[in-house]
Amino acid sequence: QQQVKQSPQSLIVQKGGISIINCAYENTAFDYFPWYQQFPGKGPALLIAIRPDVSEKKEGRFTISFNKSAKQFSLHIMDSQPGDSATYFCAASLYNFNKFYFGSGTKLNVKP
Amino acid sequence: DVKVTQSSRYLVKRTGEKVFLECVQDMDHENMFWYRQDPGLGLRLIYFSYDVKMKEKGDIPEGYSVSREKKERFSLILESASTNQTSMYLCASRVQSTNEKLFFGSGTQLSVL
Repeated sequence: QQQVKQSPQSLIVQKGGISIINCAYENTAFDYFPWYQQFPGKGPALLIAIRPDVSEKKEGRFTISFNKSAKQFSLHIMDSQPGDSATYFCAASLYNFNKFYFGSGTKLNVKP
Repeated sequence: DVKVTQSSRYLVKRTGEKVFLECVQDMDHENMFWYRQDPGLGLRLIYFSYDVKMKEKGDIPEGYSVSREKKERFSLILESASTNQTSMYLCASRVQSTNEKLFFGSGTQLSVL
């Protein structure tokens, strides 16, 4: 049973558009929600993360929206660029961070 | 910058072989992890180690074992490789407790024939 469900599996966006990736979780004990970005041939790298005490976090063109009551969080990429083309993973972790539960991944293709 | 190095980028092995995947980190991190990445399944935790000689099972430990004799090195062992262990294997490390961030290696694509 997957602890974190991610959608869509793949996404095509035009340059300058908004990319939106959604994740949902069941365990209300999760305390930390990161997004990782993975380019082909590379390992995932931390992009942005949020804790459940805030509803939104923004870093440059990347924003996490968090809805605690709905147990959902999403990644918004504003003004999407071809260089953003990558696979994105959401994740959730308990307070001790020893276990991260990853979503299934979204392959984003930003067309020029 | 933290560097997590996995010894092989691609590996091809035969069914029944014993396989060693090696991972080295250069930042004195206490915690190290082995994940398996499969299309449509995301990353799944196989084992993690919170200190030298200390290990804990993840979500899919069956068919795998690990070794951590030195702080910087974490090895994943496939005792008798099977075709369903064909996958991308990712090693990660992080600072204990105070830092949630995982640092990943570039991965080893293992094919078991």
